[in-house]
Amino acid sequence: EAGVAQSPRYKIIEKRQSVAFWCNPISGHATLYWYQQILGQGPKLLIQFQNNGVVDDSQLPKDRFSAERLKGVDSTLKIQPAKLEDSAVYLCASSLMRGGTGANVLTFGAGSRLTVL
Amino acid sequence: AQSVTQPDIHITVSEGASLELRCNYSYGATPYLFWYVQSPGQGLQLLLKYFSGDTLVQGIKGFEAEFKRSQSSFNLRKPSVHWSDAAEYFCAVGGGATNKLIFGTGTLLAVQP
Repeated sequence: EAGVAQSPRYKIIEKRQSVAFWCNPISGHATLYWYQQILGQGPKLLIQFQNNGVVDDSQLPKDRFSAERLKGVDSTLKIQPAKLEDSAVYLCASSLMRGGTGANVLTFGAGSRLTVL
Repeated sequence: AQSVTQPDIHITVSEGASLELRCNYSYGATPYLFWYVQSPGQGLQLLLKYFSGDTLVQGIKGFEAEFKRSQSSFNLRKPSVHWSDAAEYFCAVGGGATNKLIFGTGTLLAVQP
């Protein structure tokens, strides 16, 4: 099966500019995640979607970050305006999980590396 | 609060030597535990997972991990390391109503010839 697709792979912007990342999950996967991975740290969950509804966005800096998942498939993560500390790899993941408790395996994309100058 | 601790930031082993990467977790209920590997410029690849049952789980690339509830640990092992195993390894815990996955800070593995 095709994996999780992300684009662009690399992006360099200046602070206060905006950027958008796109993710296409594995076909049929109901749950989609965006993680932020700062150099030297583990991935941190920004937002979790179940179909096109938000399940968890408690760690999303909502004053500058936004995300949507229209039609419950593709997703876009936007940063506006960007700050220096937003330099990181943004990882998208998806899973079959359709809600409720139970074992859940995430498949990750290759990530989008953002550098803010 | 849920958390994962990987005490070793960086480990160097010789090729052919055995490997153990440590992982400790804090979780209020029965955890689901995972090890992922990340090569430079790549996303995270699942090595193995523990959901229930046998506490010794086998994964890909010859890795295994043992769940020890009494020690809140899920250490990753490999009997003989290959140069291609050089990468960063992340332990993660998941579960609960949203199945949120929480990662440790990672252990960077270097392999000497």
